[in-house]
Amino acid sequence: DVKVTQSSRYLVKRTGEKVFLECVQDMDHENMFWYRQDPGLGLRLIYFSYDVKMKEKGDIPEGYSVSREKKERFSLILESASTNQTSMYLCASRDSSYYNEQFFGPGTRLTVL
Amino acid sequence: AQTVTQSQPEMSVQEAETVTLSCTYDTSESDYYLFWYKQPPSRQMILVIRQEAYKQQNATENRFSVNFQKAAKSFSLKISDSQLGDAAMYFCAYYNQGGKLIFGQGTELSVKP
Repeated sequence: DVKVTQSSRYLVKRTGEKVFLECVQDMDHENMFWYRQDPGLGLRLIYFSYDVKMKEKGDIPEGYSVSREKKERFSLILESASTNQTSMYLCASRDSSYYNEQFFGPGTRLTVL
Repeated sequence: AQTVTQSQPEMSVQEAETVTLSCTYDTSESDYYLFWYKQPPSRQMILVIRQEAYKQQNATENRFSVNFQKAAKSFSLKISDSQLGDAAMYFCAYYNQGGKLIFGQGTELSVKP
């Protein structure tokens, strides 16, 4: 059973704080993704990684960075959190076959005050 | 760039009845994959059904089936014999040849007992 876990279900941070969201998958998947989910907008891709130390920008990378030092772990970093980054963040992973399904984590609901 | 549109923000169905969720997409690619994902309240997103564009036959998974109209760029999801556990947010998604999933805005389905 594929398992994607995220470090926190709920997180509250202050404006200007540095925020780390961690994601771990246990299926040796090459590809990992970070999405942001907002009502009425669906899921939007922030960054993705197709290999260790490799990353590519998604559709809304501004204000975010990522790190992938190990194959199973993909971190999303908010260098200086802002209120407009209050959202649900979803991590996903997939194997190398692009037509295969992505497996999602439970999500982190981040509130920036 | 591809786009995915779900024009029904909310839908409601009576238990044991049938409901159809709509999805349209825009693309110039000829080969692609389409997905329906389900996100139950406070639970992880899971794959419901997948359709390969080159296959004319509509995909079916138990009570879930799709009506794939390639020329019309339409990909609707039909849920038969609706159950209380079907209540969730449903997302239509398009897989482009760059390996990215593009999501629609989502349709929130409620099931009335």
